[in-house]
Amino acid sequence: NAGVTQTPKFRILKIGQSMTLQCAQDMNHNYMYWYRQDPGMGLKLIYYSVGAGITDKGEVPNGYNVSRSTTEDFPLRLELAAPSQTSVYFCASSQTGTASFSGANVLTFGAGSRLTVL
Amino acid sequence: KQEVTQIPAALSVPEGENLVLNCSFTDSAIYNLQWFRQDPGKGLTSLLLIQSSQREQTSGRLNASLDKSSGRSTLYIAASQPGDSATYLCAVGFDTGNQFYFGTGTSLTVIP
Repeated sequence: NAGVTQTPKFRILKIGQSMTLQCAQDMNHNYMYWYRQDPGMGLKLIYYSVGAGITDKGEVPNGYNVSRSTTEDFPLRLELAAPSQTSVYFCASSQTGTASFSGANVLTFGAGSRLTVL
Repeated sequence: KQEVTQIPAALSVPEGENLVLNCSFTDSAIYNLQWFRQDPGKGLTSLLLIQSSQREQTSGRLNASLDKSSGRSTLYIAASQPGDSATYLCAVGFDTGNQFYFGTGTSLTVIP
């Protein structure tokens, strides 16, 4: 069972460059999320998706874009990278959203992608 | 704005001690709360999920309690071991949106 797979694990970008962080899950989960984690801070939600073709903004969406063409994949695009985007990025998935009483909304996380923008 | 707070930010205890980690949230209208463990340089691993209708959940040496009216959850770890050393985060699913809000975590060190 691979669970949630993120690539790359590490990346250094120059200011103004663009890149895509890849996320794939093999659990047939409907919901997928992108979070960023900064030192001493909790995780902040960037974007999430409730199913293929449906995405929505989280708390900190500026500077990022997402798409969800399949149930399995949820890539995060960084356009015109800035030093403020230096962070660790986590992709997560769950079968259902927060409004569930079945336990199917347990989040499964990937190992993270550490991005540095210089 | 929904807020989730974890105090203390760091905790150090000798092996074998029982300990309690705290999680506070600003709005009592929640669906559920999850506790996670994060090892250095790794992703988050789910430990316990507690629904708004439940008062506690147990898994092995871990027990999570929930008091919605006071906006608090605690994670009790019994007979701590050095392998329990990690950062523990709580995440709250409020009923006003479709996202989990995370606390900043408590970094636990269990000294052999």
